[in-house]
Amino acid sequence: GAGVSQSPSNKVTEKGKDVELRCDPISGHTALYWYRQSLGQGLEFLIYFQGNSAPDKSGLPSDRFSAERTGGSVSTLTIQRTQQEDSAVYLCASSLGPGEGGYTFGSGTRLTVV
Amino acid sequence: GEDVEQSLFLSVREGDSSVINCTYTDSSSTYLYWYKQEPGAGLQLLTYIFSNMDMKQDQRLTVLLNKKDKHLSLRIADTQTGDSAIYFCAEKGGTGGFKTIFGAGTRLFVKA
Repeated sequence: GAGVSQSPSNKVTEKGKDVELRCDPISGHTALYWYRQSLGQGLEFLIYFQGNSAPDKSGLPSDRFSAERTGGSVSTLTIQRTQQEDSAVYLCASSLGPGEGGYTFGSGTRLTVV
Repeated sequence: GEDVEQSLFLSVREGDSSVINCTYTDSSSTYLYWYKQEPGAGLQLLTYIFSNMDMKQDQRLTVLLNKKDKHLSLRIADTQTGDSAIYFCAEKGGTGGFKTIFGAGTRLFVKA
């Protein structure tokens, strides 16, 4: 597609429920990243996919968080047993590769856990 | 670990120059970036500079890099109300590998 697409744009969920956030990167971009942006905070790195390599999961805050990328394209970030501290904007980005170029970001999914 | 710091707020008058400053800790960073985020939107890449450069100019934007002090700045000439946004400094290619480390963002207010 023309840009990075994320869905849903907003999600309100009850504490303890599972949620799935979707990211559709730019076609041909081999690198895909998930970040979390909390109110007044910078971007917190979560996970990075590059081609067929094993993902860099070093930023996932707990084992309730997982992500997969199917067929080298669409990615899903899953949060199990959501907690109120999971409330944030989840941003997905993609790039042609891991090199010098910057990222193209999606508009994000605003997650609110009530 | 890697860290990127920037002041949280900057207020300028329309037509003045804005200078947004950033410091980073990873001396092995290879690329340094400036992103812009408008309300309700994702981040948009504005410009970036290689660590072996001192300066980069792109229309109204000037990036200055002092590698010795690990200090990066973004100057916006003739600031307009449409420049009001959050500006993020970021670095990549150092000990963080291929992931980009972002600062907390500087919110720029432009007064008419």
